[in-house]
Amino acid sequence: EPEVTQTPSHQVTQMGQEVILRCVPISNHLYFYWYRQILGQKVEFLVSFYNNEISEKSEIFDDQFSVERPDGSNFTLKIRSTKLEDSAMYFCASRDRGNPQYGYTFGSGTRLTVV
Amino acid sequence: AQSVTQLGSHVSVSEGALVLLRCNYSSSVPPYLFWYVQYPNQGLQLLLKYTSAATLVKGINGFEAEFKKSETSFHLTKPSAHMSDAAEYFCAVRTGAGSARQLTFGSGTQLTVLP
Repeated sequence: EPEVTQTPSHQVTQMGQEVILRCVPISNHLYFYWYRQILGQKVEFLVSFYNNEISEKSEIFDDQFSVERPDGSNFTLKIRSTKLEDSAMYFCASRDRGNPQYGYTFGSGTRLTVV
Repeated sequence: AQSVTQLGSHVSVSEGALVLLRCNYSSSVPPYLFWYVQYPNQGLQLLLKYTSAATLVKGINGFEAEFKKSETSFHLTKPSAHMSDAAEYFCAVRTGAGSARQLTFGSGTQLTVLP
């Protein structure tokens, strides 16, 4: 079964450093997402991406965050200057098309620890 | 705005007993609802989804959920719990429109299965 692949699985970074989280969505999917889950809390929406642009973003997704689809396969989340409160599990997801019969497939996540 | 509420952040059942995890939704339009499972240190796996077809939805691993409009509920059940069912379970509703559609998650229910 096709998978969404995320790398790395764990990343530790110092406060103030830039990090890039990488995702390879399912190849024929059109919609891409980033979610995060702070330890012990609910999964929160960050951003959705379609047709090479952001289609929706939450209030969490401030100017420190950016997303990019640099080629036909990768989808990245960049945090420009990390803060301690950015420590969380970050999930990438993709979806085939608008029909909800086509579900959202999530990757295994990247655990980001900011020290 | 559409949302889901999961009643009970922790549920414990004995092995072999009925599993019932509660989810109520708030929506002014027919909702599309999902249940995801998260095993320790893993990503989100889709258990089942309701997309306005049959009100009783069967998913993987013996789980099912029934959409009840009169009760605005989409509770997850399994007749007989296994030790391997111990995980966190998230109910989610599709929100937004067009390319901005996304999933909004409930706060999760941690299921413990006792021997």
